[in-house]
Amino acid sequence: EIVLTQSPGTLSLSPGERATLSCRASQSVSSSYLAWYQQKPGQAPRLLIYGASIRATGIPDRFSGSGSGTDITLTISRLEPEDFAVYYCQQYGSSPTFGQGTKVEIK
Amino acid sequence: QVQLVQSGAEVKKPGASVKVSCKASGYTFTSYYMHWVRQAPGQGLEWVGTINPSGVSTIYARYAQKLQGRVTMTRDTSTSTVYMELGSLRSEDTAVYYCARDATHYGSGVSWFDPWGQGTLVTVSS
Repeated sequence: EIVLTQSPGTLSLSPGERATLSCRASQSVSSSYLAWYQQKPGQAPRLLIYGASIRATGIPDRFSGSGSGTDITLTISRLEPEDFAVYYCQQYGSSPTFGQGTKVEIK
Repeated sequence: QVQLVQSGAEVKKPGASVKVSCKASGYTFTSYYMHWVRQAPGQGLEWVGTINPSGVSTIYARYAQKLQGRVTMTRDTSTSTVYMELGSLRSEDTAVYYCARDATHYGSGVSWFDPWGQGTLVTVSS
């Protein structure tokens, strides 16, 4: 099983600041098989990024994904109030796995 | 638009079984694999399994190793509904269960998940 480890666990930032979220895989994963999701309390996860760097339909361009191999990154260039949430990375091979999540909270 | 509507919350006793449904609309049901993911209270996301709803070939499903033998996924093409049944319930199965469509048309179930259903809370308690 591919284990995904996200860091940091919690990110305390102010609106307008830049957020950088990391996800490290226990073994190399094709960038074609990496995604990021956003989850707000009481809601289902929402797809943000797939293929490591492709924004899903309707996702603002302040969200960007990068990286390959064992390290991928989600960057939110300027935090908006609605961006404070939990973010999960995922590898979607035949046995998908998720990272444990990074909470982005208001400082 | 694509919608996944799940059945309502369930409360079950340890050792019982639960069957959660996910009704799809807005697309050709048999053209996309469906996944199930669960989330224990305050915890992260855990893949449960994946089913191919196609009526062309034998129903195909694959499951998370830790749930093998307790989980079964089925589908009803006449109502565009997939089901996830989990047996021999224990307290650690208490979670919100989500269905989520695979993203690739006529794929093999190894794509990102989009969209997701609203979730079904399953509580296991004596």
